[in-house]
This record gives sequence, structure tokens and C-alpha cells, in this order.
Amino acid sequence: AQSVTQLDSQVPVFEEAPVELRCNYSSSVSVYLFWYVQYPNQGLQLLLKYLSGSTLVESINGFEAEFNKSQTSFHLRKPSVHISDTAEYFCALSRGYNQGGKLIFGQGTELSVKP
Amino acid sequence: SAVISQKPSRDICQRGTSLTIQCQVDSQVTMMFWYRQQPGQSLTLIATANQGSEATYESGFVIDKFPISRPNLTFSTLTVSNMSPEDSSIYLCSVEDGYGYTFGSGTRLTVV
Repeated sequence: AQSVTQLDSQVPVFEEAPVELRCNYSSSVSVYLFWYVQYPNQGLQLLLKYLSGSTLVESINGFEAEFNKSQTSFHLRKPSVHISDTAEYFCALSRGYNQGGKLIFGQGTELSVKP
Repeated sequence: SAVISQKPSRDICQRGTSLTIQCQVDSQVTMMFWYRQQPGQSLTLIATANQGSEATYESGFVIDKFPISRPNLTFSTLTVSNMSPEDSSIYLCSVEDGYGYTFGSGTRLTVV
């Protein structure tokens, strides 16, 4: 069975500071990895994904995540956060469309950016 | 990526009643997924809905409580039946559209 563990339930940081949201996964087979963001009272938005190829993936708003197979991790980083990055962040994995397609989510990390 | 229209966005319902949530996708998709997000919690898959076949339910979820319809490749409904306060959650539909998994905006359900 697969699982996702987000190591921090809450991460408070000051504006313009760097941040890392940690995500570890468990799977005996290859998986696809995702980060989703949920702003207050909104739905989920895909932030970035790792399907194959380069292990470093980037989003359009400055976040990046690195797939580390040996460490079974997919940590999310941003070198300088903004107040508007305050949100809940979910790490998730999938075995892929041909294997049922469902997403398995971590428990979420609440990022709180303070001025 | 696909665009999903989910209705209603929120509702307050009396216990013992039922609510049907609709999701309309702007493109044809084979699989649609229904998730539940309980207050302060992560997302849990309720069921996978394929067009032309019975939905596949995850452990802990049953068809009598969460009947699902999938009449075509762009539409699905989830009904929350005989509601109790424990059903108060956000319900989200999702599709895999080749870019990843896209989610509807969610239905925030409060049962009183």
C-alpha cells in the first residue's frame, strides 16, 4: 500500500524568508507525486507535479520540489515567501491512470506567512 | 487543463435529509473521483465513477450512503443520504485530464 506523510502540520514563517514543506512517501512501486495548494475557503489547485524526467520541478509562482527516490521524499521549497502564500499545502501520490488513478493525500501543512 | 463546475458551493441541511452534488466537466473524461474533506482534515477518496459501470467505493464508504451517478463522460452526481452532523464536510469532485488531477471548487456541507 502507498502512503504520504507530511512531517509538519504547521509552518509559520516571516515574509521574504525561505520555506521548506516536507513530504515523504511510501510505495513499493513507481508513483507520480503532486503538491496542491488550498487557499482559505477555496478548492484545490495543482501547484506542481513529478511524473518522470528531471527530478526538480518548478511552479510558475516560485515554488519548486525535488523528487528524491533514495530518500522517498518530495519536499516543497520557496526561497522567499509572500503573505499571499498563506494556505494549506497537500502532498499527494498516484500510481497512475492505468492503476486506478486515485490520489492519496498527506495530512496537509498549514503555511502561515507573517509580515 | 479541464474546467469543472461543481454545484452547490455550500448548503446547510437538516439531519435525515439528502443532498445531491453535481459536477460538470468541460471535456470528456473516463474517470471521475469524489473526495471528502472533513473539518481540519486531509482529503479522503469516497469512490471512483466510470461512465457505464457501477462506481467503485473505498473502504468505509457504501453505495447506500453515497450513491453516485455517471450518465455520460462529462457529468457525475454524488448524493449524501440520510445525513447526520458527522457528514458535515467539504465534498470535491476530481478528474485526471492529462495535466494532473483537477478539482472542482467543492461543496461545503453543514448538517444541523
